Amino acid sequence: QSALTQAPSASGSPGQSVTISCTGTSSDVGGYNYVSWYQQHPGKAPKLMISEVSKRPSGVPDRFSGSKSGNTASLTVSGLQAEDEADYYCSSFAGSNNLIFGGGTKLTVL
Amino acid sequence: EVQVVESGGGLVQPGRSLRLSCTASGFIFGDYAMTWVRQAPGKGLEWVGWIRSKEYGGAAEYAASVKGRFIISRDDSKITAYLQMNSLKTEDTAVYYCARGRTRVDYWGQGTLVTVSS
Repeated sequence: QSALTQAPSASGSPGQSVTISCTGTSSDVGGYNYVSWYQQHPGKAPKLMISEVSKRPSGVPDRFSGSKSGNTASLTVSGLQAEDEADYYCSSFAGSNNLIFGGGTKLTVL
Repeated sequence: EVQVVESGGGLVQPGRSLRLSCTASGFIFGDYAMTWVRQAPGKGLEWVGWIRSKEYGGAAEYAASVKGRFIISRDDSKITAYLQMNSLKTEDTAVYYCARGRTRVDYWGQGTLVTVSS
């Protein structure tokens, strides 16, 4: 099963908004509401930022939001801050008891 | 505080075996599925597999890349999950993460590095 498709990089200036997309198929992203987004700083473990398409765990700033349309999920970071610079990965339940990740997007805060 | 800690990584020769452990605290371990994810150097995240809680049968599922070589198990009395890795290949070199959950993978450990090299 192929990885979900993410753009390798994204960028924005402090205070701006940026949206990262994650494209799959009807067998994964489009077929289930189990899309998650993870933030990973260099040398650190991934941190859950969004689960089940749009649910924000306790402690995650409300600047982070998630959505889905068809086979594409999106993570929007509003009011960009320097500490948001990191790698972001999407994941989706893919049926047959599999989990699949995107290739990751490196977010740069200019 | 929920914590997940992996251990057991190291340098191993191709074809050999290694067992990783994942010890949890701060939650009722037996109530949760546990997931293993790996990350090769400079690469993205790759799902390895997961194991259900006993309530849901306790069976494990695996990615195609490791099926038949890796075995995930759990000992709820020791609040520990295991990843037994057999017939290791150089392409298995990665940081291996253990995390809580299945469709909602929330708390992750810091990872343990496995290097497969002769």
